[in-house]
Amino acid sequence: GENVEQHPSTLSVQEGDSAVIKCTYSDSASNYFPWYKQELGKGPQLIIDIRSNVGEKKDQRIAVTLNKTAKHFSLHITETQPEDSAVYFCAAGAGSYQLTFGKGTKLSVIP
Amino acid sequence: GAVVSQHPSWVICKSGTSVKIECRSLDFQATTMFWYRQFPKQSLMLMATSNEGSKATYEQGVEKDKFLINHASLTLSTLTVTSAHPEDSSFYICSARSLAGGADTQYFGPGTRLTVL
Repeated sequence: GENVEQHPSTLSVQEGDSAVIKCTYSDSASNYFPWYKQELGKGPQLIIDIRSNVGEKKDQRIAVTLNKTAKHFSLHITETQPEDSAVYFCAAGAGSYQLTFGKGTKLSVIP
Repeated sequence: GAVVSQHPSWVICKSGTSVKIECRSLDFQATTMFWYRQFPKQSLMLMATSNEGSKATYEQGVEKDKFLINHASLTLSTLTVTSAHPEDSSFYICSARSLAGGADTQYFGPGTRLTVL
């Protein structure tokens, strides 16, 4: 089955700096790579996703890049703000039917 | 769009009782819904996949007689924790698969905090 590794497990950045979270996956059949943000006590919220026919996708301060050859994808957050502080999960799957999640990255943005 | 609700958001019950959690897709139809369990500071653990009108598929190690799942309509799935015990205390989260607009996406509900005394 699919195996998703996520790094780092914790990340602290100064407000205004950029944050990068990286994930690797094992199953070459995976073609869908979403990123979720989870705030304390809440459910995960989809913030951006990418499908294997695209190498990069951007939405304002958030971008995701995908390297299918190397089987890794990354989340980039620019101009971080305190409200970006949360746990971020990457996931991989063949469509969204059965996603395998990474262990999460706790991002702290220091004002 | 793509809103998933859960009810209740939190519940406290006595050991031995049963608790039902509802998951609804509010603005789209979901032939497939998923139930996850999350322990503190850990990732999401898939418990079961629920397809509308058919029996749920449970992950290895999840007791199907303890965690009853019903997906009777395209917008509603329920999880019933039967004869709950303190070790069942956890954060339960559902998600719904949307195929709207040709995109295949999973949206999560806000979660239900279950505490069994």
